Amino acid sequence: EAQVTQNPRYLITVTGKKLTVTCSQNMNHEYMSWYRQDPGLGLRQIYYSMNVEVTDKGDVPEGYKVSRKEKRNFPLILESPSPNQTSLYFCASSLFSGRADTQYFGPGTRLTVL
Amino acid sequence: GNSVTQMEGPVTLSEEAFLTINCTYTATGYPSLFWYVQYPGEGLQLLLKATKADDKGSNKGFEATYRKETTSFHLEKGSVQVSDSAVYFCALRGNTPLVFGKGTRLSVIA
Repeated sequence: EAQVTQNPRYLITVTGKKLTVTCSQNMNHEYMSWYRQDPGLGLRQIYYSMNVEVTDKGDVPEGYKVSRKEKRNFPLILESPSPNQTSLYFCASSLFSGRADTQYFGPGTRLTVL
Repeated sequence: GNSVTQMEGPVTLSEEAFLTINCTYTATGYPSLFWYVQYPGEGLQLLLKATKADDKGSNKGFEATYRKETTSFHLEKGSVQVSDSAVYFCALRGNTPLVFGKGTRLSVIA
């Protein structure tokens, strides 16, 4: 089944403890992206990647890192999480970055930083 | 820059009522337009899309027409069901990454 998977689905952590949220897609997509969803703010893009080893900042990149060493994986790294990073996170992928390309979303990771 | 504005919710309707969720956009060039749906506890799913002016996207009884003259992409459904209760996001994609509206929560009551 074609899908985007994320792990973990739920995570509670404490301020300053490094964490990684994994994202993987099995559709051979070139483009991958991370979003965070917050009440009243909708979805905002954190980082995106056009291809392996190519990443770029989205609208809200502060406090996050990403890497794209393989086409299928795009982990999101929080080196020193803070409470304002408590949010619902989505990974997404599309075949390319063209305007007509549909993005497919993972199920989400709910992160709480205490 | 590109932006999407959609009507504030929540919207509460009785089963079989007509649904309209307004969406307008600002963009340079010729973006594609999307409606995504998020059911409780789930990720976003593509509901429908349109890639050029006057295109109509449709799926599961939902429709939206890409209106360049009014820069709009309103979502409609003739008869909603309880199972349509969800959050609906309008989005556009041009020469920039996908840009979302803030979402409209729809509740349908039996």
